[in-house]
Amino acid sequence: QKEVEQNSGPLSVPEGAIASLNCTYSDRGSQSFFWYRQYSGKSPELIMFIYSNGDKEDGRFTAQLNKASQYVSLLIRDSQPSDSATYLCAVKSPQEAYKYIFGTGTRLKVLA
Amino acid sequence: DTAVSQTPKYLVTQMGNDKSIKCEQNLGHDTMYWYKQDSKKFLKIMFSYNNKELIINETVPNRFSPKSPDKAHLNLHINSLELGDSAVYFCASSQGGGGSGELFFGEGSRLTVL
Repeated sequence: QKEVEQNSGPLSVPEGAIASLNCTYSDRGSQSFFWYRQYSGKSPELIMFIYSNGDKEDGRFTAQLNKASQYVSLLIRDSQPSDSATYLCAVKSPQEAYKYIFGTGTRLKVLA
Repeated sequence: DTAVSQTPKYLVTQMGNDKSIKCEQNLGHDTMYWYKQDSKKFLKIMFSYNNKELIINETVPNRFSPKSPDKAHLNLHINSLELGDSAVYFCASSQGGGGSGELFFGEGSRLTVL
C-alpha cells in the first residue's frame, strides 16, 4: 500500500463548478497535511495546510481532514480554467520530522 | 529575487557521465531537500540536510552524493549516470521540521540521460 494515495485523473470539471480532490494516507499517526499545486513545467507551490479534523477555508479553497478515515480532501469552489494543474497531497511523517511524503497528484482540468 | 534557485535548469548528457546540480536559498531556512520527480509526477524525497547535517537519506543509489557546504547551499552530484536517472530534480527548503512546514521549491533541474 502506498503511503499517500491520490487518483491520478484527469478530473474534468466545467468552469464555475466545485472540484473535489481526494487523498488517503496509510500512517494513522500522521498529523500534518498539505496541498500543493503544480502547473505544467513549474515547481509545486503550497495552497493550504491542515492539522485538525474538520474544514479549513481560504478563499475558494477548502481543505477537509478526517483522521479517523485517514482522508484529506481539497475543494475548489467556482473553478476557473487557471486552476487547471496537478494537485499534490503531502503528509508529514510522524516518525521523521523533516520528511514530507507526496502522493502522485491529481490532474485537474477546468473546462471553459 | 529568487528564494530557491537551482542551476542548471536543463541538463542533457550521455550515460556514464558525472554531473552536478547546485541549489541556493536566501530564505534563511535551516533545512534543505532534494526531491526527484519522475515522468508520472511522483515527487520522491532523496535527501535532507538540517544546518549542514544529513538527516534524511532515502534508499538512493550511492552514485548520488549530496553536499551542503553551508545551510544556504545544497548540491547534488551524480556519478555514472543511467537512463533511469532522467527526471526533474527539485531542491526545496523549509524552516525546521516543525511549524507549518511549508516547502519552498526551486524551479527544478530537468536531467535527460541519453
